Amino acid sequence: SQQGEEDPQALSIQEGENATMNCSYKTSINNLQWYRQNSGRGLVHLILIRSNEREKHSGRLRVTLDTSKKSSSLLITASRAADTASYFCATYSPNDYKLSFGAGTTVTVRA
Amino acid sequence: GEEVAQTPKHLVRGEGQKAKLYCAPIKGHSYVFWYQQVLKNEFKFLISFQNENVFDETGMPKERFSAKCLPNSPCSLEIQATKLEDSAVYFCASSPATGVYGYTFGSGTRLTVV
Repeated sequence: SQQGEEDPQALSIQEGENATMNCSYKTSINNLQWYRQNSGRGLVHLILIRSNEREKHSGRLRVTLDTSKKSSSLLITASRAADTASYFCATYSPNDYKLSFGAGTTVTVRA
Repeated sequence: GEEVAQTPKHLVRGEGQKAKLYCAPIKGHSYVFWYQQVLKNEFKFLISFQNENVFDETGMPKERFSAKCLPNSPCSLEIQATKLEDSAVYFCASSPATGVYGYTFGSGTRLTVV
């Protein structure tokens, strides 16, 4: 079953703006990961944040994790048309041994 | 290679026919995972392997689905007697370990059952 829920379901922004999406989950985790899926393609791993980390950066991506609220956010700064994709959070829980995915946020970046 | 190779890209089967999907993981990755994506959103976990051994099969509809990862061969996912609801994109992923690294996904096989 789905572990994470993402918000919003869809997001449309102008090129150059920032995009923020959120992920909430239900059980304790070892780590949380974000993936991108371009239309018709497989998932691309973006970033992994461990349960003892609060924030992580990778290029224009910033991920935060609040284990007390069981939530994470992904911020894409200075968005580009190429950022148009669906973004999924996935959690890895102890004793579960597999990634459980949220339903995703579809981001459209308008030129 | 450095990519997970899935074949075929598209597969069309009549209801009741068999479907077989293949996945070549990245060399050196011990873990292989199969997921089913319906309607471009939910990723449903099916099964995972540690080398040629089943690691977790809690997501597999066992009556009609089976999977293997044999040495020196691509991994395979087979669906006997396909049903309309099996129409989905099936993704394979591999990883050097479970729970420590991200997964590398293939481009998927789109199965259409008519």
